[in-house]
Amino acid sequence: DTGVSQDPRHKITKRGQNVTFRCDPISEHNRLYWYRQTLGQGPEFLTYFQNEAQLEKSRLLSDRFSAERPKGSFSTLEIQRTEQGDSAMYLCASSHGRQNSYEQYFGPGTRLTVT
Amino acid sequence: AQSVTQLDSQVPVFEEAPVELRCNYSSSVSVYLFWYVQYPNQGLQLLLKYLSGSTLVESINGFEAEFNKSQTSFHLRKPSVHISDTAEYFCAVTRQGGSEKLVFGKGTKLTVNP
Repeated sequence: DTGVSQDPRHKITKRGQNVTFRCDPISEHNRLYWYRQTLGQGPEFLTYFQNEAQLEKSRLLSDRFSAERPKGSFSTLEIQRTEQGDSAMYLCASSHGRQNSYEQYFGPGTRLTVT
Repeated sequence: AQSVTQLDSQVPVFEEAPVELRCNYSSSVSVYLFWYVQYPNQGLQLLLKYLSGSTLVESINGFEAEFNKSQTSFHLRKPSVHISDTAEYFCAVTRQGGSEKLVFGKGTKLTVNP
């Protein structure tokens, strides 16, 4: 069990550029979540996958955000035409999805700074 | 929809003192409750969870939390803290029977001083 990994750990980009983040969940986990955390706040849910299907998206997720999980393995989160308000820590978490587990394992996060 | 309120943004205490971190939630449906901890420069880790059964749940490092349905609270306590408990603590809920997405509070930064 190598844990949830995220890449890159830090990203600095200029306003208007596109960025893509990657998350590799724990290998046997079929559920994958993306959250966003800004300074002084708790993580906020963005979207959720069960295997390759994206089953839920937050209203926080504007049209500039898109997420994929091809083949139910790793996931990518893309932000198009970044804005300064997108600056945040983007967290990925995975869970096994077994009944009565309800335990999410979080990655270290990708810190995005939009200048 | 669910919401979580952590009443204290910062809690400074001395080593070996007791501590209580408060968490209240609001939900129109039944929820499960969690405490996550984030040590400096590390990712979020599950500390403890309440799913069912005994309303008092314990972690392996001496923390405990009690689910109080009537007061919609899930306060976290430790009778004697260590320097190594310095971290940010997040209370979270998820709707029973849902996607398991977590709704977090804003967090409480616990600082344990010598």
